[in-house]
Amino acid sequence: ELKVEQNPLFLSMQEGKNYTIYCNYSTTSDRLYWYRQDPGKSLESLFVLLSNGAVKQEGRLMASLDTKARLSTLHITAAVHDLSATYFCAVDGTAGGTSYGKLTFGQGTILTVHP
Amino acid sequence: DGGITQSPKYLFRKEGQNVTLSCEQNLNHDAMYWYRQDPGQGLRLIYYSQIVNDFQKGDIAEGYSVSREKKESFPLTVTSAQKNPTAFYLCASRRTSGRGGELFFGEGSRLTVL
Repeated sequence: ELKVEQNPLFLSMQEGKNYTIYCNYSTTSDRLYWYRQDPGKSLESLFVLLSNGAVKQEGRLMASLDTKARLSTLHITAAVHDLSATYFCAVDGTAGGTSYGKLTFGQGTILTVHP
Repeated sequence: DGGITQSPKYLFRKEGQNVTLSCEQNLNHDAMYWYRQDPGQGLRLIYYSQIVNDFQKGDIAEGYSVSREKKESFPLTVTSAQKNPTAFYLCASRRTSGRGGELFFGEGSRLTVL
């Protein structure tokens, strides 16, 4: 059974600081996704990582994937208040071959950015 | 604009009643999914469908039923057999061509059992 664990689960940051959220998963996969969720809202896709060593960047967020370590990171640079949200990683348990899009989600990291 | 529409946004139900949540997409995606989210937790897969007239159970299908009669529509029925139905329900879809298409989510339906 695929398990996905994020840490930390709660992250309180000051504006302007840097930090990293970690996503570990238990079985082989080369498809990992990061989503953002604002309170009471739906999930917004941030990054799609499809190979070992993949790195994607958008604004102050950068995501990477190490399939050998079964680890993805979401790095936040010079945080701003607008980044306050819950961040989820999700793993497709299929390694190679046909994916059915069945994602297993981490518990989510609640990020709060303070002035 | 293309997207996924879920309705109703909020729903209250008495114990013992079945309720149906609607999900419609105009993205021309073949695959559709239903997830459940409980407070402070990640999402868990209820049912999914890769093609019209076919669907599969996810990790927590007990007490739920679905149908997929049209490509655009994937309604979820929460039956009285579901022991703890109060939750936030999210419908999603994705393209199945190519590799690694991410899930696109609707705005969600919040069900409360009174």
